[in-house]
Amino acid sequence: DAGVIQSPRHEVTEMGQEVTLRCKPISGHNSLFWYRQTMMRGLELLIYFNNNVPIDDSGMPEDRFSAKMPNASFSTLKIQPSEPRDSAVYFCASSSRTGNEQYFGPGTRLTVT
Amino acid sequence: DQQVKQNSPSLSVQEGRISILNCDYTNSMFDYFLWYKKYPAEGPTFLISISSIKDKNEDGRFTVFLNKSAKHLSLHIVPSQPGDSAVYFCAASTRGGSEKLVFGKGMKLTVNP
Repeated sequence: DAGVIQSPRHEVTEMGQEVTLRCKPISGHNSLFWYRQTMMRGLELLIYFNNNVPIDDSGMPEDRFSAKMPNASFSTLKIQPSEPRDSAVYFCASSSRTGNEQYFGPGTRLTVT
Repeated sequence: DQQVKQNSPSLSVQEGRISILNCDYTNSMFDYFLWYKKYPAEGPTFLISISSIKDKNEDGRFTVFLNKSAKHLSLHIVPSQPGDSAVYFCAASTRGGSEKLVFGKGMKLTVNP
């Protein structure tokens, strides 16, 4: 079975540009999570969806960040405009039951110059 | 304020010996705990979990111990193998509440042949 799929795997962009990260969760999973990993803050939850509805976006750093889940098999995380401090690895994860194990994608390494 | 803490950033052990990874938490509402393993350039993968109604859970070479009164859990790997070399994350959630996982910052385990 395919796991969580993320694209692109690497993204290098200039400050001020729009960045869109994509995620396809595991089929049948009804919860989707976006995380950001940095050396300073570790792995932090940005937002999560349940049945395509955003449940908690308290981790989204600021208005430059937005996330959507138009259907059960696709989600995007958009940063507009991007800044160098957004450089990090962004992970998407999905799960099938409340409070249970989450399955992570391989991550997108974002570098903003 | 970090709710899940992994105070030791790294651990090095000899192959065949026991590895003990520690984790402390501050939120008494946490009732479900997980350990994830992460290899470079990959997403975290679920390893083992424990509910707060238990104090021990075992899966092959991996055992997780939970001490609720001390708000402390540990992961024991025995015998350790070179393939266990990775970064290990402790995570916690309130299973009866939201699906959010709160992660520690991780600990790098190196198992030397």
